Amino acid sequence: DAGVIQSPRHEVTEMGQEVTLRCKPISGHNSLFWYRQTMMRGLELLIYFNNNVPIDDSGMPEDRFSAKMPNASFSTLKIQPSEPRDSAVYFCASSLTGGNSPLHFGNGTRLTVT
Amino acid sequence: AQSVTQLGSHVSVSEGALVLLRCNYSSSVPPYLFWYVQYPNQGLQLLLKYTTGATLVKGINGFEAEFKKSETSFHLTKPSAHMSDAAEYFCAVSALTGGGNKLTFGTGTQLKVEL
Repeated sequence: DAGVIQSPRHEVTEMGQEVTLRCKPISGHNSLFWYRQTMMRGLELLIYFNNNVPIDDSGMPEDRFSAKMPNASFSTLKIQPSEPRDSAVYFCASSLTGGNSPLHFGNGTRLTVT
Repeated sequence: AQSVTQLGSHVSVSEGALVLLRCNYSSSVPPYLFWYVQYPNQGLQLLLKYTTGATLVKGINGFEAEFKKSETSFHLTKPSAHMSDAAEYFCAVSALTGGGNKLTFGTGTQLKVEL
């Protein structure tokens, strides 16, 4: 079991540039989550998918953020255009459906926008 | 709606001492409760979970937690701290909504273990 795989691990970009974060969930998991972690706000749920369908995107901060899950093994989180306040660690997590199913997290992407 | 409160953003213990990290939850339905640990530059790892049944649950690395419905608590304990336990710990409560499960996390407790 390779776990949840995120890429890149680190991303440094300039304000205004487009940023794409990638996630491969654990095979067989049908729920996928994107979280953002900052010192100020802690862990925030941005969006989650169930069976590739977005269920709740109420945590997406602005229209600059978008997420897709074209198939069961891949998801992207895009920020366009990026701003310095988007600097954070972005985590992807996956799980089986069911309230008692734990989330399995990737190692995150540390995004720095200058 | 679910919510979690972790009392104490920083806890410091001596090596060999008892570890107690506090978590209180609010839930309109019977909760599923989780503790996660995060080491520097890593994602969160599951320590233990409570779903139904026995209220004392054991997890990895010698940690355990007890679900107390009357106190709406799910405190995490370990009898003897080890240096390797230094990390950030998150309590979380689950809500099953709209075909998916959604975890709400507390703000985390940073555990420091001193010699």
